[in-house]
Amino acid sequence: AQSVTQPDIHITVSEGASLELRCNYSYGATPYLFWYVQSPGQGLQLLLKYFSGDTLVQGIKGFEAEFKRSQSSFNLRKPSVHWSDAAEYFCAVGARYGNKLVFGAGTILRVKS
Amino acid sequence: DVKVTQSSRYLVKRTGEKVFLECVQDMDHENMFWYRQDPGLGLRLIYFSYDVKMKEKGDIPEGYSVSREKKERFSLILESASTNQTSMYLCATRTETFATNEKLFFGSGTQLSVL
Repeated sequence: AQSVTQPDIHITVSEGASLELRCNYSYGATPYLFWYVQSPGQGLQLLLKYFSGDTLVQGIKGFEAEFKRSQSSFNLRKPSVHWSDAAEYFCAVGARYGNKLVFGAGTILRVKS
Repeated sequence: DVKVTQSSRYLVKRTGEKVFLECVQDMDHENMFWYRQDPGLGLRLIYFSYDVKMKEKGDIPEGYSVSREKKERFSLILESASTNQTSMYLCATRTETFATNEKLFFGSGTQLSVL
């Protein structure tokens, strides 16, 4: 069965510091991987996605993620965090053709000044 | 920009009531979804619809039903609300089954409390 694990429920970083949010997945076929962000009171917004090709993908708001097949990971990174990045982040995996995404439990990011 | 509108931001209902959650999209998307979001569990798929009057169960359909009479509107129905259905409900749309540039568009959610 497909699953997504986000090991960190909460992460606190200082403004200007670097960030890495972890995501591990279990999937029987070629995974299609996504990171979504949810700001307080908002719906989810797509940050970036990986379908194929270059394993380092760039997204919006200065985020990037690296797909590592050998580690079944798709970690999200940002070199310098801004206070406005405080939100909940969800990793998700789906099939190339399909109607279901499986989401992780989410990681809440707090940014301290 | 795609707009996905959920009719209520907050809703309070009593146990046993029949509850309707409405979702309307303005982009002629084929696929519509209802997710439930709970702390520590992430998002779980309740039902989805790939066309008018067409629906399929997701991972947690028990206690829910859906209706899609028009392409732009997808309703989630709690036939007899229970306290364990207190949750944030998110509607999402997508143009078609996954392709390279596809993504989900989410509404801002309805926080349902069942007392």
